[in-house]
Amino acid sequence: IAGITQAPTSQILAAGRRMTLRCTQDMRHNAMYWYRQDLGLGLRLIHYSNTAGTTGKGEVPDGYSVSRANTDDFPLTLASAVPSQTSVYFCASSALAGGPETQYFGPGTRLLVL
Amino acid sequence: GQNIDQPTEMTATEGAIVQINCTYQTSGFNGLFWYQQHAGEAPTFLSYNVLDGLEEKGRFSSFLSRSKGYSYLLLKELQMKDSASYLCAVRDQDYKLSFGAGTTVTVRA
Repeated sequence: IAGITQAPTSQILAAGRRMTLRCTQDMRHNAMYWYRQDLGLGLRLIHYSNTAGTTGKGEVPDGYSVSRANTDDFPLTLASAVPSQTSVYFCASSALAGGPETQYFGPGTRLLVL
Repeated sequence: GQNIDQPTEMTATEGAIVQINCTYQTSGFNGLFWYQQHAGEAPTFLSYNVLDGLEEKGRFSSFLSRSKGYSYLLLKELQMKDSASYLCAVRDQDYKLSFGAGTTVTVRA
């Protein structure tokens, strides 16, 4: 079934540890995105990639890094996790960055940093 | 950047109509989206407006006025399964989405 997968589903992480959240899509979408969702704040863009080989910073990029080596994968890395990074993380993709195409969201990763 | 406002909560009765308003201030506009998100799940696409006017899709309709920085999502013939959070999102000139905090709609029997 075509779509977006994220791993892990949930994770408890000690502060200071490094963590990579994985995101893979099989729809051959050009654009991919990482959001975090916190109660009362809605979804906020962390990083994005309009096409393989390029990345850009969103609204809240500090403490996170991404790479886009190929079309399908867009991993998000927390170099040294802090408790404020406790959140639900959603990966999304769209066929093109512009146009009427919507973004399709993965199921999310629930991260707790202690 | 974007500043997007929508009500926090709304309650309505099964079979009724509910209108969720969204106002935005933007440095560049390239479309407005509405998403539905059930608790513990990912957002799913409902509607897209880029020109002024009404877009109708079954029981859901969305309206946009670019000059007023205003949109609404209209949910008709409410069903219990419509209880969810509804997210207004504005796309900027760089094709990035900014989301409002979401409106939680509770449908009562």
